[in-house]
Amino acid sequence: SQKIEQNSEALNIQEGKTATLTCNYTNYSPAYLQWYRQDPGRGPVFLLLIRENEKEKRKERLKVTFDTTLKQSLFHITASQPADSATYLCALDVGGNTPLVFGKGTRLSVIA
Amino acid sequence: DAGVIQSPRHEVTEMGQEVTLRCKPISGHNSLFWYRQTMMRGLELLIYFNNNVPIDDSGMPEDRFSAKMPNASFSTLKIQPSEPRDSAVYFCASSLQTNHGYTFGSGTRLTVV
Repeated sequence: SQKIEQNSEALNIQEGKTATLTCNYTNYSPAYLQWYRQDPGRGPVFLLLIRENEKEKRKERLKVTFDTTLKQSLFHITASQPADSATYLCALDVGGNTPLVFGKGTRLSVIA
Repeated sequence: DAGVIQSPRHEVTEMGQEVTLRCKPISGHNSLFWYRQTMMRGLELLIYFNNNVPIDDSGMPEDRFSAKMPNASFSTLKIQPSEPRDSAVYFCASSLQTNHGYTFGSGTRLTVV
C-alpha cells in the first residue's frame, strides 16, 4: 500500500523566512499530489494540486514542487507570517478514481 | 454555499451506545468521503460514495460501523455499539470528482467513555 512520510511532526521558523515542508512517498507514483492546511479544531482546507507532469505550481506565497524520480514533493511558504502557523498535510491521488491517501502532517509554527 | 456541514460538533457517549454522525455535502459534488483522524494514525479513509453509491468500505474497522447515503444531500455514519477506541475526530468531505480538491466539514469529535 502507499506509504507517505512528511519530514517532521513539527517545524519552527522565524517570521519572514521561507518554510519548506517535505512529503515523501513509496510504491506507486501518484497521478496528483495535493496539499492541505489544517487549523486546530477545523477540517483540512485544500491549497494546491500538482499533476505528475508538472514540476512546479505557485499560488501567491506558496510553491509546490513534484519530483517523481525522487518520489518527493516540497511545499514552500515564502515570507512566512505567524498566521501561516498550522498543520500542513500532503495527500496522494494514485488515479483510477481512488480517494486521497493523507500523510500525518507537519505542524508549522512561525515565530514573530 | 455553506460548505460541508457535519453534526454534531461534539459527541460524548457511553460505551455500548449507538452513535450517529451526520453530513451534508456541497450541492453538486458527487463524491463523498468519511475519514477518521487520530494523533497516532492521522487521517484514515473509512468509506466513500460516488453518486450516492458506496464504492469502497474496506476502511471501515468493523461490522460495528455502517454508513449510508440515501440521497445526494445527506449521509450518515453509525457506530453500534460504540467502544472507547472509537474516540476520534470524524470528518466528512465532498468533491466534484475523486481527483479534485476535497472540501472538508469541521468534523465531529467523538468521545466514548
